[in-house]
Amino acid sequence: QKEVEQDPGPLSVPEGAIVSLNCTYSNSAFQYFMWYRQYSRKGPELLMYTYSSGNKEDGRFTAQVDKSSKYISLFIRDSQPSDSATYLCAMTIQGAQKLVFGQGTRLTINP
Amino acid sequence: DVKVTQSSRYLVKRTGEKVFLECVQDMDHENMFWYRQDPGLGLRLIYFSYDVKMKEKGDIPEGYSVSREKKERFSLILESASTNQTSMYLCASSLRAGGTEAFFGQGTRLTVV
Repeated sequence: QKEVEQDPGPLSVPEGAIVSLNCTYSNSAFQYFMWYRQYSRKGPELLMYTYSSGNKEDGRFTAQVDKSSKYISLFIRDSQPSDSATYLCAMTIQGAQKLVFGQGTRLTINP
Repeated sequence: DVKVTQSSRYLVKRTGEKVFLECVQDMDHENMFWYRQDPGLGLRLIYFSYDVKMKEKGDIPEGYSVSREKKERFSLILESASTNQTSMYLCASSLRAGGTEAFFGQGTRLTVV
C-alpha cells in the first residue's frame, strides 16, 4: 500500500464548477501538507501549504486537512480553463528528509 | 519570488554519454533535491543535499551522482546515460529540511537514444 493515495483521474468538469481534489494517507505522523499544480511539460508550482489540521484559503483555492480521517482536500471555486493541470499532493513529517507525493490528478476545465 | 533555474529544458543524449544537469536557486536555501518524474510512477527522489558538499541518496540513486560545490548550485550527473534514464528531471529547493514548501524548477526533459 502506498503511503499517499491520489486518484489519477482524469477529471473533467465544466467551467465555473467547484472542483474537489483529494488525497488519503496512511502515516498518522504527517503534519505538513502541500498542494502543487503542474502544467504540461512544466515543473510543479507550490499552490498551498498547511501545517497540521484545519483549513486554509487563498483566493479561489481552499486546502483542508482532516488528520483524524487521514484525508486532505483541495477545493477550487469558480473553476477556469486555466486551472487545467495536474494537481499533486505532498506531505512530510518534521525532521524527515523528503516529501512523499501522491501520483497527481489530471484536471480539465471545459469552457 | 523564489527562482529555481535548470540549465536546459530539453536534452537529447546518446547511450553511454556522461550527462550533466545543472540547477541554480537564488533564495539562499540550504536544501536542494533532484527528482525524476515518469508517467504512472510519479515523482521519485534521486538525491538531495542539505548543505554545501553534503549529499544523501534518495529512493533511486543508482546510475546517478551529484555535486554541490556552492550553496546555490546542485548538479545531477548521469555517469553513463542509458535509455531507461529517459525522463523528466526536476530540481527543487527549500528553506526547511525535508522539502517542506519546496520550489521546483521548470524541468529538463532528457531523452537518451
